[in-house]
Amino acid sequence: EVQLVESGGGLVQPGGSLRLSCAVSGFTFSDHYIDWVRQAPGKGLEWVGRSRSKAIGFTTDYAPSVKGRFTISRDDSKNSLYLQMNSLRIEDTAVYYCARVVAVAGAGYFEYWGQGTLVTVSS
Amino acid sequence: EIVMTQSPATLSVSPGERATLSCRASQSVISNLAWYQHKPGQAPRLLIYSASTRATGIPARFSGTGSGTEFTLTISSLQSEDFALYYCQQYNNWPPGTFGQGTRVEIK
Repeated sequence: EVQLVESGGGLVQPGGSLRLSCAVSGFTFSDHYIDWVRQAPGKGLEWVGRSRSKAIGFTTDYAPSVKGRFTISRDDSKNSLYLQMNSLRIEDTAVYYCARVVAVAGAGYFEYWGQGTLVTVSS
Repeated sequence: EIVMTQSPATLSVSPGERATLSCRASQSVISNLAWYQHKPGQAPRLLIYSASTRATGIPARFSGTGSGTEFTLTISSLQSEDFALYYCQQYNNWPPGTFGQGTRVEIK
């Protein structure tokens, strides 16, 4: 059974840092793209960033709103994906989901999702 | 960036009735469109991809149509478990894969 489980959310002050984890099971982690998607309170879903598969060199992409502040990394030995979030802003407050991607011509849709972890940025 | 617009924002439907949800793209996404169901506190669930292909395990009462800029998700006979938020997402232009703002299907 494919599972993705996020953890690491919490309350952080503006300007602070937080690292989210996404533990996966039920599939070969290195074979798949995994994305981070977030949902701010009362808002829709927003793509945050991508970690591509081993075959594509584990390259990453980021939304303009987080580029330079957020970093995605992987640890294949732990079947885990990470989102390091620095210089956090109030507008980064959201539930953060990791999702397995079905890659289509470099893009793709989200076949499996975790249940999310809440990040609150507030003073 | 392609903007996805869903309508209506809220749809009030009685159990057993048909629900029709719309999604419009600001430019053509061909058939590179997915639909998701999202319930509070749960993981979003993929319903439809390639505009009209049901994902594994999705009941036949869910169907997707459209191409280009106009898409529709139809739930033929609403069951109690279908009351939720529904999002469309284009993946023709990347990054990013943009989502609509969602349609809430509520009990009438």
